[in-house]
Amino acid sequence: EVQLVESGGGLAQPGGSLRLSCAASGFSFSGYSMNWVRQAPGKGLEWVSYISSSSSTIKYADSVKGRFTISRDNAKNSLYLQMNSLRAEDTAVYYCARTYSNSWYGFLEYFDYWGPGTLATVSS
Amino acid sequence: EVVLTQSPATLSLSPGERATLSCRASQSVSSYLAWYQQKPGQTPRLLIYDASNRATGIPARFSGSGSGTDFTLTISSLEPEDFAVYYCQQRSNWPLTFGGGTKVEIK
Repeated sequence: EVQLVESGGGLAQPGGSLRLSCAASGFSFSGYSMNWVRQAPGKGLEWVSYISSSSSTIKYADSVKGRFTISRDNAKNSLYLQMNSLRAEDTAVYYCARTYSNSWYGFLEYFDYWGPGTLATVSS
Repeated sequence: EVVLTQSPATLSLSPGERATLSCRASQSVSSYLAWYQQKPGQTPRLLIYDASNRATGIPARFSGSGSGTDFTLTISSLEPEDFAVYYCQQRSNWPLTFGGGTKVEIK
C-alpha cells in the first residue's frame, strides 16, 4: 500500500523557516517524481514544487521561488521542503503528492497519491 | 502562467441529477487536464487525467471531455458520496496550476 506521511509543520514567525519532510513507503520511491502541493485554510489547491526521480529537474511556483527548496533522499525514501523567509500567505496544509504514472503513458504531471498533510502556520 | 477558471463556483443539485462542471484555460492546454474530487477533511482524489481518461477505480458515471481551452466534467447521476469540491489541473505548462474549484452541494 502506498503511504506518504508528512511532518515538520508548526508555527513559524514571518521571516522564519520550517523544514517539511515526507516519508514514503509501499512503492519504489526512487522511480517516481514527487511534488509538494498546499492548501490554505478554506481555500483551493496550489502546486508548490516538483522534483524528478533523480533530482535532475526541479520546478517551483513563482510564489515560492527563491525562498523554498525541494530535495529528496532516495536512500531514505524521503522528500523534503525547506521553507525560508516565510510569509503569512504561506500558511497552509502542505501535502506531499506522488506524480501519476501508468503503463501506457508513463509519467504524467498529475497527482495520484497524497499524504494527509502537515499544517504550517506563519504568524507573529 | 495558465489560469484555470472553474464555473459555477457552487452547483446545487439533488441525488440522481446530472452534474456538469466547467473548466476554462487562459490559453490552450491541449488535452493535458485532470479533474480531482476533494471531500471535507480528505485529500484530493484523481478522477480524470488527460481530459477524458478515468483513473483507476473511478466509476463510469464520471466522464471528462474537452480540449484546448474548454473542458467539462460530467457526473451522469449524482450519488450521495459525490457531493464534494472538484478541481481541474493542467500539466501543459510549468507552473502546474489548479482551478479555484466547484462545490457540488445537495439541493
